Amino acid sequence: EPEVTQTPSHQVTQMGQEVILRCVPISNHLYFYWYRQILGQKVEFLVSFYNNEISEKSEIFDDQFSVERPDGSNFTLKIRSTKLEDSAMYFCASSGGNNQPQHFGDGTRLSIL
Amino acid sequence: EDQVTQSPEALRLQEGESSSLNCSYTVSGLRGLFWYRQDPGKGPEFLFTLYSAGEEKEKERLKATLTKKESFLHITAPKPEDSATYLCAVANSGGYQKVTFGIGTKLQVIP
Repeated sequence: EPEVTQTPSHQVTQMGQEVILRCVPISNHLYFYWYRQILGQKVEFLVSFYNNEISEKSEIFDDQFSVERPDGSNFTLKIRSTKLEDSAMYFCASSGGNNQPQHFGDGTRLSIL
Repeated sequence: EDQVTQSPEALRLQEGESSSLNCSYTVSGLRGLFWYRQDPGKGPEFLFTLYSAGEEKEKERLKATLTKKESFLHITAPKPEDSATYLCAVANSGGYQKVTFGIGTKLQVIP
């Protein structure tokens, strides 16, 4: 069964450093998303991406964050200058259509020191 | 603002003991309600989508139902492998693809 893959599974970074989280969505999907889950809290929406542009973003997704689809298979989330509070599990998801369910990867655990 | 409240937060069942998980939601026009299963250290795994009140979906020992204000996930004769956190989420008709999640119900099934 096709799946969403994310790398790395764990990223440890010094505060203030830039980090790029990578995702390979399901191959025929058109909509891509990033979510985060702080330990013990809800899964929170960050951003959705369709047709090579951001279609919706949350208040969390400020100027520190950016997304990119650099080629036909990868989807990345960049955090420019990390803060301690960015420590969380980051999930990538994709869906085949606007009304189709979102399928999630197993996440990248980001630890900011 | 869309809101999802799940209860109970944790549930411990004996193997074979059926029960239900509740998801109450507030949304400005429901586009879809989703149930996911999340195992420790993993991403949410899609289970069901429900679109309108009265709709029901089944998969093995799980059955999801939907009313205008809440959804139930019924677990019939659970097995230890059903132990996981079950997440409820909603998408509203006004937004694009944003999904709002509840905190989840952590289910433990004891042999």
